[in-house]
Amino acid sequence: AQSVSQHNHHVILSEAASLELGCNYSYGGTVNLFWYVQYPGQHLQLLLKYFSGDPLVKGIKGFEAEFIKSKFSFNLRKPSVQWSDTAEYFCAGAYSGAGSYQLTFGKGTKLSVIP
Amino acid sequence: GAGVSQSPSNKVTEKGKDVELRCDPISGHTALYWYRQSLGQGLEFLIYFQGNSAPDKSGLPSDRFSAERTGGSVSTLTIQRTQQEDSAVYLCASSHRSGRLNNEQFFGPGTRLTVL
Repeated sequence: AQSVSQHNHHVILSEAASLELGCNYSYGGTVNLFWYVQYPGQHLQLLLKYFSGDPLVKGIKGFEAEFIKSKFSFNLRKPSVQWSDTAEYFCAGAYSGAGSYQLTFGKGTKLSVIP
Repeated sequence: GAGVSQSPSNKVTEKGKDVELRCDPISGHTALYWYRQSLGQGLEFLIYFQGNSAPDKSGLPSDRFSAERTGGSVSTLTIQRTQQEDSAVYLCASSHRSGRLNNEQFFGPGTRLTVL
């Protein structure tokens, strides 16, 4: 079965520190990859997505992610975090074939940014 | 335009009671999804609707769960004889297309269900 895993359960950073959140997906043919963010008290919002083409994708609020096929990874990065980035981040994949419309989510990484 | 809306935002019920959760997708979106977000389990797919096609119910955890979508728009998720393990946030999402990988799903705020 397809799966998406996120390595870090909770990450604590000081403002201006650099961020990298790990995400690995299982092999399953063609896959589209997404990062969603859930700010406290708010609903899930799309940060960025990868479908094809340039493996380095840029999203909103200065976030970017790199698709590395050989490593089955899609890590999220931001060079300098702000307190307002405190949220929970979810990596998700949509696989080709039956059920391709389903998103398979990782368990999420909670990011706390200390002012 | 308006996003996906869900009601109620919170629901507290007693074990054994039935509950109904409602989702209004974004206007014009033909695909609608239900997910469940629970502690320790992350986000799990429950059910998917596309137009008038038969729904994909493969993610429903038991036959106590059912969902319908009337008129290709509003959807209702029903949980019968609720159990404490049903306590979770139930999320609805919609998208323009189905069966295509590059459909972006837009999520609603969720309904937090607590079963006492």
